[in-house]
Amino acid sequence: EDQVTQSPEALRLQEGESSSLNCSYTVSGLRGLFWYRQDPGKGPEFLFTLYSAGEEKEKERLKATLTKKESFLHITAPKPEDSATYLCAVQAMNYGGSQGNLIFGKGTKLSVKP
Amino acid sequence: ETGVTQTPRHLVMGMTNKKSLKCEQHLGHNAMYWYKQSAKKPLELMFVYNFKEQTENNSVPSRFSPECPNSSHLFLHLHTLQPEDSALYLCASSRNEGRGRANTGELFFGEGSRLTVL
Repeated sequence: EDQVTQSPEALRLQEGESSSLNCSYTVSGLRGLFWYRQDPGKGPEFLFTLYSAGEEKEKERLKATLTKKESFLHITAPKPEDSATYLCAVQAMNYGGSQGNLIFGKGTKLSVKP
Repeated sequence: ETGVTQTPRHLVMGMTNKKSLKCEQHLGHNAMYWYKQSAKKPLELMFVYNFKEQTENNSVPSRFSPECPNSSHLFLHLHTLQPEDSALYLCASSRNEGRGRANTGELFFGEGSRLTVL
């Protein structure tokens, strides 16, 4: 069964304190791995797509990496405005009739204190 | 502004009421989705429409009834709901790579409709 597990559930950082969020996955052939950011009271916002092991993507203080079993979202020198819930999702290659729908993890709630 | 608009933002209804959630996308996408988001749970896919045809019903109870009159609009009709149906209902849209092919995983979400069932 395709599955996504994110850790930790919650992470509290001081401003400027770098850290990483983890997304472990099992999927019958990975078509893509996706990171989203969700602010309170809003819908998720797309951040990155990763397609193959070794791939990296960067956006401002965020860098996403991918291996065959997991993805990391590295946050360098975070600021309070980076506080949000970060969601990871996978899309399976062998999607059959399911149109390659995303399987989401529960998310990591990040709080950055000034 | 994501290009996906949901109304209403908040809805309180009794178990015997009938109400509808509305979603509109201005992105020219051909795929639209309904997701349910509950506390401490992953996003749950409910329905998928591709080119106005329903391609996924993820074992959703019949008290939830979707409608997709065109590629830009999606509705979720609600009737005789249960308190456990209280949640944030999210609409999303995406590109589709062609009929019978996969949707891109880059979804554009609306801000959601917060539903409370009394």
